[in-house]
Amino acid sequence: AQKITQTQPGMFVQEKEAVTLDCTYDTSDPSYGLFWYKQPSSGEMIFLIYQGSYDQQNATEGRYSLNFQKARKSANLVISASQLGDSAMYFCAMREYGGGSNYKLTFGKGTLLTVNP
Amino acid sequence: NAGVTQTPKFRVLKTGQSMTLLCAQDMNHEYMYWYRQDPGMGLRLIHYSVGEGTTAKGEVPDGYNVSRLKKQNFLLGLESAAPSQTSVYFCASRRLAGGTDTQYFGPGTRLTVL
Repeated sequence: AQKITQTQPGMFVQEKEAVTLDCTYDTSDPSYGLFWYKQPSSGEMIFLIYQGSYDQQNATEGRYSLNFQKARKSANLVISASQLGDSAMYFCAMREYGGGSNYKLTFGKGTLLTVNP
Repeated sequence: NAGVTQTPKFRVLKTGQSMTLLCAQDMNHEYMYWYRQDPGMGLRLIHYSVGEGTTAKGEVPDGYNVSRLKKQNFLLGLESAAPSQTSVYFCASRRLAGGTDTQYFGPGTRLTVL
C-alpha cells in the first residue's frame, strides 16, 4: 500500500488565486511528520513546510499553509495568492518516528502545478 | 553558508565505468541521505548515514556503495555503471531540533549511463 498518495497529477490556477494540493497518508505510527517540497523546472528540491503529528495547530510559512486533518489522514498544502513562480512540481512526504524507520522520508509521486497569468 | 552541495552537476558514463558523487554540507548535520529520482517514481532512498563513520541501506541500494569518513561529506559510488542507473541523484542532510524536522537537498546530479 502506498504510504503517500497525491491524487492530482496536474493542477491549474490563475495568478493571485489560492490553490489546494491534496495529500493523504497511511501510517499506524502515532508519531510522524509531514513535509511538502517544491521542485521547479530547474530541478532543485526546496523545503516548504513541516507538520508534526502532535502539533495542535496547522503549520504556516508565509503563503504556504498545511491543512492537517489527522482523523482523515490528510495533509493538504494551501498556497495563497498564487504567483507565476509557484509553477512547479510539489511533493508531499512523510517520516514515521517510531519502529526504527525514522531515517526514511517517503515521498508521493507529486503534483504539477501551473499558474496561469 | 553553502548548505548542501553536490559534485558534479552532470556526468555521462559508459556501461561498466565507475564514478563517485560527492555531497558536502556545512550545517553540521548528523544525518545524510542519497536519493535517486526517476520519472513517475518519485524519490527513492539509496543509502543513508546517521553520523560520521556509519552507513546503512535504503530502498534501492543495489549497485551503489557509500562512505561517510567525515561528518560533512557523504560519497556515493557506482563501481560498474549500468544504463538502469541513469537518473538524477540528490543528496540531503537533516536537521532535527527544537521540535521540527527539516531535510535539505542538494541541487542534484544528472547522470546518464550509455
